[in-house]
Amino acid sequence: NIVLTQSPATLSVTPGESVSLSCRASQSISTSIHWYQQKSNESPRLLIKYASQSISGIPSRFSGSGSGTDFTLSINRVESEDFSIYYCQQSYSSLFTFGSGTKLEIK
Amino acid sequence: EVQLQQSGAELGKPGTSVKLSCKVSGYNIRNTYMHWVNQRPGKGLEWIGRIDPANGNTIYAEKFKSKATLTADTSSNTAYMQLSQLKSDDTAIYFCAISYGYNPWFAYWGQGTLVTVSS
Repeated sequence: NIVLTQSPATLSVTPGESVSLSCRASQSISTSIHWYQQKSNESPRLLIKYASQSISGIPSRFSGSGSGTDFTLSINRVESEDFSIYYCQQSYSSLFTFGSGTKLEIK
Repeated sequence: EVQLQQSGAELGKPGTSVKLSCKVSGYNIRNTYMHWVNQRPGKGLEWIGRIDPANGNTIYAEKFKSKATLTADTSSNTAYMQLSQLKSDDTAIYFCAISYGYNPWFAYWGQGTLVTVSS
């Protein structure tokens, strides 16, 4: 199985700051990574597909980058509604896997 | 508008089975894969497997091969997941999810079904 390691586990920031969340794959997966946001007691929401491709309806402050084994989700000027948990998911293997998540919390 | 409506919460005794449903509106499930994902209390997302409703072909994550059975009824546009030999660590929220076509990301999610295993 392809293992995805997300870091940090928790990120404490002040609204208005810009942040980067990391997702590292256990082997090269090209750009087969997708990012989700999950707010408390809600279903996940797709933010980014194929590492950097935007999704209709998602604010432009969310962006993604990376290829191979290292990927980044960036949030430009975090807003209060962004405090939640973020997951990466790989589709390079037909056996999909998720990362363990990064919790973005208010400092 | 695509919507996935999951069945209600389940309380199952250890050793028994439960069957969850996921009814899709706004999209024909013949044209996509239906995926299932779980989330144990306070934990992250875990991919269980997926079914191609057009032909019934399935793929499971290794740890769910003897736990989950995925089926689909294209006439009612509904997918199902049966969980067998329930144990306490099967207690979780179970989500169904699809995308347009066979894209390998999850654009649409059900609201989740809470399964509680307790005697």
